[in-house]
Amino acid sequence: GAVVSQHPSRVICKSGTSVKIECRSLDFQATTMFWYRQFPKQSLMLMATSNEGSKATYEQGVEKDKFLINHASLTLSTLTVTSAHPEDSSFYICSASEGGDRVETQYFGPGTRLLVL
Amino acid sequence: GENVEQHPSTLSVQEGDSAVIKCTYSDSASNYFPWYKQELGKRPQLIIDIRSNVGEKKDQRIAVTLNKTAKHFSLHITETQPEDSAVYFCAASLNDYKLSFGAGTTVTVRA
Repeated sequence: GAVVSQHPSRVICKSGTSVKIECRSLDFQATTMFWYRQFPKQSLMLMATSNEGSKATYEQGVEKDKFLINHASLTLSTLTVTSAHPEDSSFYICSASEGGDRVETQYFGPGTRLLVL
Repeated sequence: GENVEQHPSTLSVQEGDSAVIKCTYSDSASNYFPWYKQELGKRPQLIIDIRSNVGEKKDQRIAVTLNKTAKHFSLHITETQPEDSAVYFCAASLNDYKLSFGAGTTVTVRA
């Protein structure tokens, strides 16, 4: 149980284009999903908290107009990197909580490696 | 916000020996402390977690201890095996369920 998928796993795009990343909870409903960014050999940095049916909450320093988050259903959250630039190249990982007695526990997706040329 | 510090940043152990990773946190209100294992290019995998009402938890070769007074918690891996080689992250969470991660420890188990 508690499986989280992410698509695509890898994407290469030109500077200025937008990229959409999907995060799905496959076998549970996730009221809350989280989006992280991880640079090589570094820790996971929380970008935003995604709540189903409401606006995402962004961490300090994260531009909400650049990183658009939509949590359309209890099993799907999307992150759109708008007008991507080379400095946006990174490993983006989502996580989801199955709630209930394990509400704090986050299960991670496999990540999306973004390379902006 | 919560600040989590993790030490050491790298750890090399002989197969069969024990490995210990230590983390400290800043916010005494934090009440959930998970540990994740991440292999290169893959997702973080939850290996063990502990809540603030518990001082110690064990799962086979892995154990975690929590000292709320000192605000630190540790991961202990006994009888290490080559497949334990990975990056390990500690994290702390408040009631808002947002995780603050430590910087990570790269563990290498020498055969």
